Amino acid sequence: GQQLNQSPQSMFIQEGEDVSMNCTSSSIFNTWLWYKQDPGEGPVLLIALYKAGELTSNGRLTAQFGITRKDSFLNISASIPSDVGIYFCAGQSSGNTGKLIFGQGTTLQVKP
Amino acid sequence: EPEVTQTPSHQVTQMGQEVILRCVPISNHLYFYWYRQILGQKVEFLVSFYNNEISEKSEIFDDQFSVERPDGSNFTLKIRSTKLEDSAMYFCASNLDRKETQYFGPGTRLLVL
Repeated sequence: GQQLNQSPQSMFIQEGEDVSMNCTSSSIFNTWLWYKQDPGEGPVLLIALYKAGELTSNGRLTAQFGITRKDSFLNISASIPSDVGIYFCAGQSSGNTGKLIFGQGTTLQVKP
Repeated sequence: EPEVTQTPSHQVTQMGQEVILRCVPISNHLYFYWYRQILGQKVEFLVSFYNNEISEKSEIFDDQFSVERPDGSNFTLKIRSTKLEDSAMYFCASNLDRKETQYFGPGTRLLVL
């Protein structure tokens, strides 16, 4: 089945640093989504990308939908302690059911 | 702001018992989903539901699982005879259109002993 490879698996950075994470797939997705999950809670949508090549920002977050439709990256600039959590990419294929395929997640820790 | 709610937040059950996990999707949404997340792993799709029918189900969603929308507001996931490996966080999600953003509930943590 379709799979997403997300990297890195974890990051430990200093407050103020920029962060970059990405997802790749062997198959095409029509939509790429980036979610953040805090411990014990459900995923919360950060950015949605609907068009190949699209670059979208949400505050300090920037994400791009790869031109091949097989990859996406998420950048976080000037990280702060509340950025701590697990970041998941998710892709939605052309099927009619809305199913999301999730990456394995990137655990981000920020040292004040 | 409207949100997806789930009950209970935690459930502990004995192996072989039936459990029903409940979700109240956002009121005007038409598409409903269940996902699960085993501790420390990624979120996995279980089933999508539209117009009172299952649209798609994964390999995980075997005969022990069923979903139902018993009334205009609730969406339930039933596990008929729980196994140890069913222990996970179960998330409900919904959206207005299948191509739009899915909003996730806070999850039900299921522990099977």
